[in-house]
Amino acid sequence: AQSVSQHNHHVILSEAASLELGCNYSYGGTVNLFWYVQYPGQHLQLLLKYFSGDPLVKGIKGFEAEFIKSKFSFNLRKPSVQWSDTAEYFCAVSGHNNDMRFGAGTRLTVKP
Amino acid sequence: DTEVTQTPKHLVMGMTNKKSLECEQHMGHRAMYWYKQKAKKPPELMFVYSYEKLSINESVPSRFSPECPNSSLLNLHLHALQPEDSALYLCASRLAGGQETQYFGPGTRLLVL
Repeated sequence: AQSVSQHNHHVILSEAASLELGCNYSYGGTVNLFWYVQYPGQHLQLLLKYFSGDPLVKGIKGFEAEFIKSKFSFNLRKPSVQWSDTAEYFCAVSGHNNDMRFGAGTRLTVKP
Repeated sequence: DTEVTQTPKHLVMGMTNKKSLECEQHMGHRAMYWYKQKAKKPPELMFVYSYEKLSINESVPSRFSPECPNSSLLNLHLHALQPEDSALYLCASRLAGGQETQYFGPGTRLLVL
């Protein structure tokens, strides 16, 4: 069965600190990987996605993620976080049958 | 235009009421989704329509009844809901196929009394 695991439930950082949020998936087949962000009171927005090709993908707002097939991982990174990055971050996986599964989410709090 | 719209924004209903949630997109997407999201939890997939046919039903109780009248519209009919069904109901759409971005609507916040 398809599943997504996000290791960190709540991450607290100071501004300018570097960020890495873990995501591991389990899926029998070709996967497409996504990171979505949900700012307080707002709807889900796509940060970045990986379908194929270069395993290092760059998204909006300075975020990037690396697909490591051997580790079934798709970790999200940002070199220097800002207070405005405070939000809930969801890793998601979809397969060929149009489904989409989300991880439990990681709440990021950035202290000014 | 990458917009998915949902109405109403908020809904309060009693356990004996019948109501419907609506979702609309005009991006030519042929896969449409309903999710349920509880506070501080990830979206949980409920239904997927592909080319106006129900392709995934995640064992959702029959008090939730989806309908896809055409390629732009997706409805969720609600009847005899329970208080634990109170949640944010999200609609999403994508071009059919896994290698496409899924776009989310703002959701309908439902409260069942």
